[in-house]
Amino acid sequence: EVQVVESGGGLVQPGGSLRLSCAASTFTSRDYWMSWVRQAPGKGLEWVANIKQDGSEKYYVDSVKGRFTISRDNAKNLVYLQMNSLRVEDTAVYYCVKVGSWYWFDPWGQGTLVTVSS
Amino acid sequence: QTVVTQGPPFSVSPGGTVTLTCGLSSGSVSTFYYPSWYQQTPGQTPRTLIYNTDTRSSGVPDRFSGSILGNKAALTITGVQAEDESDYYCVLYMGSGIWVFGGGTKLTVL
Repeated sequence: EVQVVESGGGLVQPGGSLRLSCAASTFTSRDYWMSWVRQAPGKGLEWVANIKQDGSEKYYVDSVKGRFTISRDNAKNLVYLQMNSLRVEDTAVYYCVKVGSWYWFDPWGQGTLVTVSS
Repeated sequence: QTVVTQGPPFSVSPGGTVTLTCGLSSGSVSTFYYPSWYQQTPGQTPRTLIYNTDTRSSGVPDRFSGSILGNKAALTITGVQAEDESDYYCVLYMGSGIWVFGGGTKLTVL
């Protein structure tokens, strides 16, 4: 059973913006740190950002700092990734994952594809 | 900048044993990095295998095991099966809310 569902991906021009959403279906996301992990075509996994349960702490990989913002709406059990000033190198499948107590990522959804191209 | 290193592609025969490693460009991996391992077959989403160094995720066969070997985290597969042909990724928790993935190791089952 799919436990997280990501949405919001698509084709965008360089310099554009997208907002990704993540809905948890079988757990209450507000009880956990949540992260975004991405995978460029044919490449490996890359941790992008994460957010504390109450949204008070947020962390980012250096390459997206100042351009991406992670947020959450605990009332709706949703996590977001606002992506601005997108670059060609941001093209990837973006996965939303729950951070387990021992600093691990699970479950994994199908991800949502972001393509940055002119 | 810290780089998490994984080994070159591996080939193994069915029934064999293989150990994949996960190290640091500078320093040693310990349990304090909470290493975890993920399996990904082409076109599929990652699957969690091991977390907290050596704890198998739910439903993962016991032929997969995790450990610290020397100065690296290790994933050992004993009695390799054809279905184990995949890419394997490790990730280390660096502290301060930061994780770094290794580049992955491609395992071929001949």
